[in-house]
Amino acid sequence: DVKVTQSSRYLVKRTGEKVFLECVQDMDHENMFWYRQDPGLGLRLIYFSYDVKMKEKGDIPEGYSVSREKKERFSLILESASTNQTSMYLCASSPSVTGSNTEAFFGQGTRLTVV
Amino acid sequence: AQSVSQHNHHVILSEAASLELGCNYSYGGTVNLFWYVQYPGQHLQLLLKYFSGDPLVKGIKGFEAEFIKSKFSFNLRKPSVQWSDTAEYFCAVNLHNTDKLIFGTGTRLQVFP
Repeated sequence: DVKVTQSSRYLVKRTGEKVFLECVQDMDHENMFWYRQDPGLGLRLIYFSYDVKMKEKGDIPEGYSVSREKKERFSLILESASTNQTSMYLCASSPSVTGSNTEAFFGQGTRLTVV
Repeated sequence: AQSVSQHNHHVILSEAASLELGCNYSYGGTVNLFWYVQYPGQHLQLLLKYFSGDPLVKGIKGFEAEFIKSKFSFNLRKPSVQWSDTAEYFCAVNLHNTDKLIFGTGTRLQVFP
């Protein structure tokens, strides 16, 4: 079974802290994604990466950065956490989907509260 | 900008009622289409997907969806819902010239016995 593992289920951080959210996948997927999920807004793409060291901004990248030094690991960084970044963060991975029949697999999510 | 619209935000049904959830996307090129489901407390999982071929796609748990290219739609259907279908449902589109996956805002379905 494909496994996408997020390092924490729940996090509480203080305003201004630097926050790292980690995600690891075990299926050698090329693509990895970070979304945030908020009630009524669905899943909004923050960043995605299509290869090691390669990244592309999603719809809401402001206040976030990412790192992908190894294929299996994709980190989301909040440089200076703010209360409006309180949310559920979802990581996903997929093989390169263009022209192929596949899907994205999701982690359990990290519920981040910034106080 | 490309987007995915789900017009039903919250649907309440009784068991055995029929279900149809709307999904429209705004992109003129080739797309792959997905419906994901998130049961309470669980991670998102794939319900069904369309890549090519027969526009009527069957998924798990009796769900199906129809891709209507002329209407840019991919509506989800189930003839008779069960209490266990209570969940949030997300439509998603993968743009064919990139691997970027875009989601709609989701529809919360509540099924009462």
